[in-house]
Amino acid sequence: QVQLVESGGGVVQPGGSLRLSCVASGFSFRNYGMHWVRQAPGKGLEWVAFIQYDGSYEYYVESVKGRFTISRDNSMNTLDLQMNSLRPEDTAVYYCATLCASCHNFDHWGQGTRVTVAS
Amino acid sequence: DVVLAQSPLSLPVTLGQPASISCRSSQSLVHSNGNTYLSWFQQRPGQSPRRLIYEVSNRDSGVPDRFSGSGSGTDFTLKISRVEAEDVGVYYCMQGTHWPPPTFGQGTRLEIK
Repeated sequence: QVQLVESGGGVVQPGGSLRLSCVASGFSFRNYGMHWVRQAPGKGLEWVAFIQYDGSYEYYVESVKGRFTISRDNSMNTLDLQMNSLRPEDTAVYYCATLCASCHNFDHWGQGTRVTVAS
Repeated sequence: DVVLAQSPLSLPVTLGQPASISCRSSQSLVHSNGNTYLSWFQQRPGQSPRRLIYEVSNRDSGVPDRFSGSGSGTDFTLKISRVEAEDVGVYYCMQGTHWPPPTFGQGTRLEIK
């Protein structure tokens, strides 16, 4: 079955860095674009970043542009999010997800990894 | 960016009764290819989101048939024909027509009266 397993979350001071990872299994990872979506404590869902199936292009929400970098390794079935210059407002649970609006019967999310930015 | 406005934001429902959530978009969600990429997600307490409905009215596999989606253009609705205890959680609409970025509604919290 499809699994997405995130790791790398933790507590970091403002201005610090973290690298999140997501390991995919149970589907042809190399054939799907992948997303990171976050959820601040007690808040709704916010899309963060997308990477094309072959890594050929990336998109970011405005608030993280220049600070976050999404990447993938199709040989290892892994998706990463490098987060630099972290701010308190980046505090959230981060989910990797397929989030494929046009994919029939195919939408999967990981369990999430918690990032806390605080001094 | 497309703004999705959900209502109500809080929805107390008696077990066995129907429930309805509205999602209104700031612009038409009809894609140039003719499809409409409006999805509904359920997030149970302490769990990751799970997609229920894609392209307005298509249920994902394993989703009970008491869930249905409808609408067109800018107005969409998620209906639950008879609410069960396991339906408690927050429901989000999401558009994938005009992106980046894909956008979510604010969420509707469904609780049992």
